[in-house]
Amino acid sequence: AQSVTQLGSHVSVSEGALVLLRCNYSSSVPPYLFWYVQYPNQGLQLLLKYTSAATLVKGINGFEAEFKKSETSFHLTKPSAHMSDAAEYFCAVSRNSGGYQKVTFGTGTKLQVIP
Amino acid sequence: GAVVSQHPSRVICKSGTSVKIECRSLDFQATTMFWYRQFPKQSLMLMATSNEGSKATYEQGVEKDKFLINHASLTLSTLTVTSAHPEDSSFYICSADNGRGEQFFGPGTRLTVL
Repeated sequence: AQSVTQLGSHVSVSEGALVLLRCNYSSSVPPYLFWYVQYPNQGLQLLLKYTSAATLVKGINGFEAEFKKSETSFHLTKPSAHMSDAAEYFCAVSRNSGGYQKVTFGTGTKLQVIP
Repeated sequence: GAVVSQHPSRVICKSGTSVKIECRSLDFQATTMFWYRQFPKQSLMLMATSNEGSKATYEQGVEKDKFLINHASLTLSTLTVTSAHPEDSSFYICSADNGRGEQFFGPGTRLTVL
């Protein structure tokens, strides 16, 4: 079984401030972890993924996430928020199931950036 | 590379009609495709896994006779919502596995049933 928990359905930050979106996972096997971004009425865009290589993963648009096994966490950060970062962010975990990766999504965190 | 398209992007239909949504992997072959639905302000829920040339595997609680899935080729999967009702109104998103465990998502289809 696998699951992800995203703490905070809404997060507001000021433009230029640190962005921190929290994600904790549960997985019976070493997980693959992902962060996706979704803009209104659009599909998902992959920000970054962890696949058991480096624990600090750098993604697109200046985002990064750190895999901490001891805390079962995979929090997403960005040093300085930009207005264009306003969107919904989903943390996800996947496991191999029948030869493909079955993905389970968190409930999402809506990021608001205040000018 | 790794682009997945969906058609149509938006569809409005009357209650009782059927609607077909296409999902295509444009620059890679996908033996496995996935269909998700997303209700407003909620996360994506996996509906079914579609394998080329075989029957789809549906998640618990998803009616296979209502949501018909066909994966006729390595680049195309279709989802048909049969006898659609207003409660089927949702955002449907597909994804395709490139054979290396990576999933790429389509832009989604907004279905509104009147």
